[in-house]
Amino acid sequence: AQSVSQHNHHVILSEAASLELGCNYSYGGTVNLFWYVQYPGQHLQLLLKYFSGDPLVKGIKGFEAEFIKSKFSFNLRKPSVQWSDTAEYFCAVNPNNAGNMLTFGGGTRLMVKP
Amino acid sequence: DAGVTQSPTHLIKTRGQQVTLRCSPKSGHDTVSWYQQALGQGPQFIFQYYEEEERQRGNFPDRFSGHQFPNYSSELNVNALLLGDSALYLCASSLANLYQETQYFGPGTRLLVL
Repeated sequence: AQSVSQHNHHVILSEAASLELGCNYSYGGTVNLFWYVQYPGQHLQLLLKYFSGDPLVKGIKGFEAEFIKSKFSFNLRKPSVQWSDTAEYFCAVNPNNAGNMLTFGGGTRLMVKP
Repeated sequence: DAGVTQSPTHLIKTRGQQVTLRCSPKSGHDTVSWYQQALGQGPQFIFQYYEEEERQRGNFPDRFSGHQFPNYSSELNVNALLLGDSALYLCASSLANLYQETQYFGPGTRLLVL
């Protein structure tokens, strides 16, 4: 069965630090990839998505992610985090031959210290 | 433009009871998916409805059933509740389009089973 791994469960950074959150998936075929964010007390929101084309995708709020097919990875990055980025981040995968059900990773809780 | 709405926001039930959760999709969307998010975990796909039919189903028992109405709204029913059914239930809507769909999530219904 396909799975999605987010190895960092908790990350604590100071403001202006750079961020990279890892996401690896176990599926050999073509996939659609997503990062969602859940701010405290709010619902899941789409940060960015990859369907095809340029493997470096840019999302909202200065976030970007790079799809590396050979590594089955879709890591999320931001050059300089802000206190308002404190949230839980979820990576999700949808194999192209599996309808459009999403398989989520366990999430990474990010705390940014002011 | 109304986003995905869910009701109720919170619910407390006892073991063995039945529960119905409701979801209205984002304006213009025709597909509704349901996810279960246990505490500290990522969302898990329950099932998806399109054209009033169950289109896909995840690894959940038959106690979990659903329905989609002609106006695209949806219900999730859970029978014979177990303590382990306590979770945040998320509804996501999308527009069916050759499986390259982006799902937009509602705020969820938090269910506590005592």
